[in-house]
Amino acid sequence: DTAVSQTPKYLVTQMGNDKSIKCEQNLGHDTMYWYKQDSKKFLKIMFSYNNKELIINETVPNRFSPKSPDKAHLNLHINSLELGDSAVYFCASSQLTALNYGYTFGSGTRLTVV
Amino acid sequence: GQQLNQSPQSMFIQEGEDVSMNCTSSSIFNTWLWYKQDPGEGPVLLIALYKAGELTSNGRLTAQFGITRKDSFLNISASIPSDVGIYFCAGQVNQGGKLIFGQGTELSVKP
Repeated sequence: DTAVSQTPKYLVTQMGNDKSIKCEQNLGHDTMYWYKQDSKKFLKIMFSYNNKELIINETVPNRFSPKSPDKAHLNLHINSLELGDSAVYFCASSQLTALNYGYTFGSGTRLTVV
Repeated sequence: GQQLNQSPQSMFIQEGEDVSMNCTSSSIFNTWLWYKQDPGEGPVLLIALYKAGELTSNGRLTAQFGITRKDSFLNISASIPSDVGIYFCAGQVNQGGKLIFGQGTELSVKP
């Protein structure tokens, strides 16, 4: 049973298209995140939702819009894709009220914009 | 913004050798975490540190939370081929705050 699952695993698309990445967690966590990993493997937070409420919104182009229909799901929609959006996007979850602050990550979605 | 400086960037070692990597910051963190990322996978938590000065082990891995709260190190003893991967340090100021990651240390182990 995968704890944090993302779909799709790979996404190849043309510039200008709109695409979505889905994430679901079955850990009962109350907080979910989107991270972007660039070609140099640097991980940077994009968004965080706690119980469906946006709590962290880093400096991300407004072409990126997260949506959390419930606390087990956090989707990422990207409009007008650009070449520079190519990266691996990771979803993660954690339980804010737990003593253990560690995040559980999904296995990533490799987005390639051509 | 807050940044973590992780070193070294990469290491090539022989199987059986010990490995050490560290992370420093110009600002204080109240939680330090160490993750490992295998190719094609997401980072997996190895060790979490919650108190300044804390020394914690997980099998062959040992990590310490620096007394100044501005640094942490990870040691791997008697490395084996499956230790290959990218190791990330991460710091968090407050519960619920964002996790800031270091640049990663890519470890290669020669059998």
